[in-house]
Amino acid sequence: GNSVTQMEGPVTLSEEAFLTINCTYTATGYPSLFWYVQYPGEGLQLLLKATKADDKGSNKGFEATYRKETTSFHLEKGSVQVSDSAVYFCALKLGQGAQKLVFGQGTRLTINP
Amino acid sequence: SAVISQKPSRDICQRGTSLTIQCQVDSQVTMMFWYRQQPGQSLTLIATANQGSEATYESGFVIDKFPISRPNLTFSTLTVSNMSPEDSSIYLCSAAGMSGTSTDTQYFGPGTRLTVL
Repeated sequence: GNSVTQMEGPVTLSEEAFLTINCTYTATGYPSLFWYVQYPGEGLQLLLKATKADDKGSNKGFEATYRKETTSFHLEKGSVQVSDSAVYFCALKLGQGAQKLVFGQGTRLTINP
Repeated sequence: SAVISQKPSRDICQRGTSLTIQCQVDSQVTMMFWYRQQPGQSLTLIATANQGSEATYESGFVIDKFPISRPNLTFSTLTVSNMSPEDSSIYLCSAAGMSGTSTDTQYFGPGTRLTVL
């Protein structure tokens, strides 16, 4: 079946550290890939996406590259801030248009000043 | 992106009762979805809310337990029926295909935090 596996959390880093949150997927076909972020007490927000192999999504200093050969979509940021503390969800979508999202289990990130 | 609101934002309910959650989008959208996020867990799709027809439910979810309405292109409701403590979750609606955006991307409401005693 289709599934998403994320790096287990929680992850705790110091401000200005380099961040990587691993995400790998299993899918029949060629999915679109997404990272969503959930800040404390808020709903999910789309952070970035990539719709085909080798695409790089980026937003707010975060980046993720769609790697078909390793079925991965790792999230990276060069220098994290306290305000990046949140839960991050990797997700995939199969097919064209609006279809259901399959989410990973989420990774809780805490950034200490 | 569209603004998506949900009401109520949270509620505490007694077992055996039902709660209806409303989701309002500020523009017409092609698709609306309802997800559940159980405590400490990821999101699971309950159903796709179809405008003018019955919702499409995912495996493990049934209409009698989670009736859904979508009377127009901007509004949907999810009812959690005959609640038990196991229904305590955050319920989120999402929408895709609003004007000017790709149907590829879903935008989420803030969620409704439900606690069943």
